[in-house]
Amino acid sequence: DAGVIQSPRHEVTEMGQEVTLRCKPISGHNSLFWYRQTMMRGLELLIYFNNNVPIDDSGMPEDRFSAKMPNASFSTLKIQPSEPRDSAVYFCASSPGSNQPQHFGDGTRLSIL
Amino acid sequence: AQSVTQLGSHVSVSEGALVLLRCNYSSSVPPYLFWYVQYPNQGLQLLLKYTSAATLVKGINGFEAEFKKSETSFHLTKPSAHMSDAAEYFCASDSGGYNKLIFGAGTRLAVHP
Repeated sequence: DAGVIQSPRHEVTEMGQEVTLRCKPISGHNSLFWYRQTMMRGLELLIYFNNNVPIDDSGMPEDRFSAKMPNASFSTLKIQPSEPRDSAVYFCASSPGSNQPQHFGDGTRLSIL
Repeated sequence: AQSVTQLGSHVSVSEGALVLLRCNYSSSVPPYLFWYVQYPNQGLQLLLKYTSAATLVKGINGFEAEFKKSETSFHLTKPSAHMSDAAEYFCASDSGGYNKLIFGAGTRLAVHP
């Protein structure tokens, strides 16, 4: 079975550039989550979707961050403009339903120079 | 508000020794609880989950956890540590809706010869 697929695995870009991270959840899962992980702040939930609808985006740090889920098999997290403090590993996870475990992708390691 | 507390951000054991990673939760209703493991440069992988069927839960790689309602704890144990167990471990609780999980801060396990 294919797991959660994230792309790219690594991204290095200059400050001010637009960054788009992509996620394909496991087929049949109706919840999707975006997390950010840093040494300083640990694992932070940024936003999550249920049936393609954003439920809680209170973890999105600021307006430079946006996320979309146009259909059940694809989601994007966009940062525009990017800043060095956005450097982190970004994870996408999906889940089949309430009280079920989340399945994580391998993450995108983002470096903003 | 629900929360998950992991006691000890770093734990070091000798190979062959008992592994004990502590997790306490706060919840007004019986929670669903999870332990995840994260190896370097990888996403989080599910070790085990508690769903009220049994208080002692067995997971992968020889790990198990015991749910103790009186102590609001869900500690993770393994009788004999292996070098390959070196990783970061996260305890998580459901939040009562939409499958959003509340994660602890993580415990980094080091195993030395």
